[in-house]
Amino acid sequence: KAGVTQTPRYLIKTRGQQVTLSCSPISGHRSVSWYQQTPGQGLQFLFEYFSETQRNKGNFPGRFSGRQFSNSRSEMNVSTLELGDSALYLCASSLVGLRDEQYFGPGTRLTVT
Amino acid sequence: EDQVTQSPEALRLQEGESSSLNCSYTVSGLRGLFWYRQDPGKGPEFLFTLYSAGEEKEKERLKATLTKKESFLHITAPKPEDSATYLCAVQAAGGTSYGKLTFGQGTILTVHP
Repeated sequence: KAGVTQTPRYLIKTRGQQVTLSCSPISGHRSVSWYQQTPGQGLQFLFEYFSETQRNKGNFPGRFSGRQFSNSRSEMNVSTLELGDSALYLCASSLVGLRDEQYFGPGTRLTVT
Repeated sequence: EDQVTQSPEALRLQEGESSSLNCSYTVSGLRGLFWYRQDPGKGPEFLFTLYSAGEEKEKERLKATLTKKESFLHITAPKPEDSATYLCAVQAAGGTSYGKLTFGQGTILTVHP
């Protein structure tokens, strides 16, 4: 069965712009979570969506937002980009939530200049 | 604040030389402790979930154990293909961190033939 897909794989943006990343979960998975990975901070949890509702949220500013559609696909938006937002953004899906086995996508590499 | 500390930061082993990775945690109630493996340029791959102290899980050459303060990932007779970064994460069960995932910085394992 197809894995988690993320688009685009690479992205270059300028400070102040906004960006939208997309994640398609494994078929049948209703939970989608997002993570930011940087060399300095490691892997950090952004938020989790389940059945179109945000269920858990990490400690990130309001510039980071997300949503989930009825087909479980999810998008993450970052507004007013800062240089420090340069990172690998990972999406993961699971059947029922964070306690369940999560399957990660390959990530979107965002570079902010 | 929830904290996860992994040690050592890096570990070099000879093929067949068994060892252990450590994950120490402080969390407001533990919903689950997770181990992942991450290869360069890829998203993390799920290995284990542990829910309560005393629990153990095994998969091929890997065995994960859990106490009230730490978890160990034991690697028996490792092979070069076991080389990867191993990540530990905890999910909080209470307080303001309820539901959030906190990751450690990871242990970079290199197994030489």
